[in-house]
Amino acid sequence: GESVGLHLPTLSVQEGDNSIINCAYSNSASDYFIWYKQESGKGPQFIIDIRSNMDKRQGQRVTVLLNKTVKHLSLQIAATQPGDSAVYFCAERAGGTSYGKLTFGQGTILTVHP
Amino acid sequence: DAGVTQSPTHLIKTRGQHVTLRCSPISGHKSVSWYQQVLGQGPQFIFQYYEKEERGRGNFPDRFSARQFPNYSSELNVNALLLGDSALYLCASSWRSGGGTEAFFGQGTRLTVV
Repeated sequence: GESVGLHLPTLSVQEGDNSIINCAYSNSASDYFIWYKQESGKGPQFIIDIRSNMDKRQGQRVTVLLNKTVKHLSLQIAATQPGDSAVYFCAERAGGTSYGKLTFGQGTILTVHP
Repeated sequence: DAGVTQSPTHLIKTRGQHVTLRCSPISGHKSVSWYQQVLGQGPQFIFQYYEKEERGRGNFPDRFSARQFPNYSSELNVNALLLGDSALYLCASSWRSGGGTEAFFGQGTRLTVV
């Protein structure tokens, strides 16, 4: 069945370091992969997405890499700041008739130390 | 512009009761999706509505139902509440039926069943 999983449940970094959060997926039919950030007491916040026919996409301080060969997705955050501390979820959207259904992974807790 | 708004923010119900959660999407967005997030896990898809029609349903019992109104707001109803229904219920809005990648989430409704 469909599943999205994360390799590391927690990640602790120093302010200014680069962070890499990883995610594995199993549904080859997914057409979009998305990263969300969720702070305590808030709903998930959209960070960046990548279409399945791409292998890299860059945003402001963030880069998403997609490796379809090994079904792996990663989020790179440059110059990590204390405000980046949150839970990060990868999610996938299946193609076809699954429309707006997002399948989320377990989440990675990112802690940034000043 | 206001984001996705959900009400109430917190709710305590007794087992067996019924609950109605409400969501107002971002102005101009026509699609609303509902997710259940149990503590420590990623959100789980419940429903998606677009133009007042159900376009997707997750693996939830028939006790869960929803509807979308002409103004695109939505309600999620849960009957015969169980302790296991305690969770954060998230609403996400997007502008098109397949708009899972551009879904914006509300703050959620924290439901506690006692």
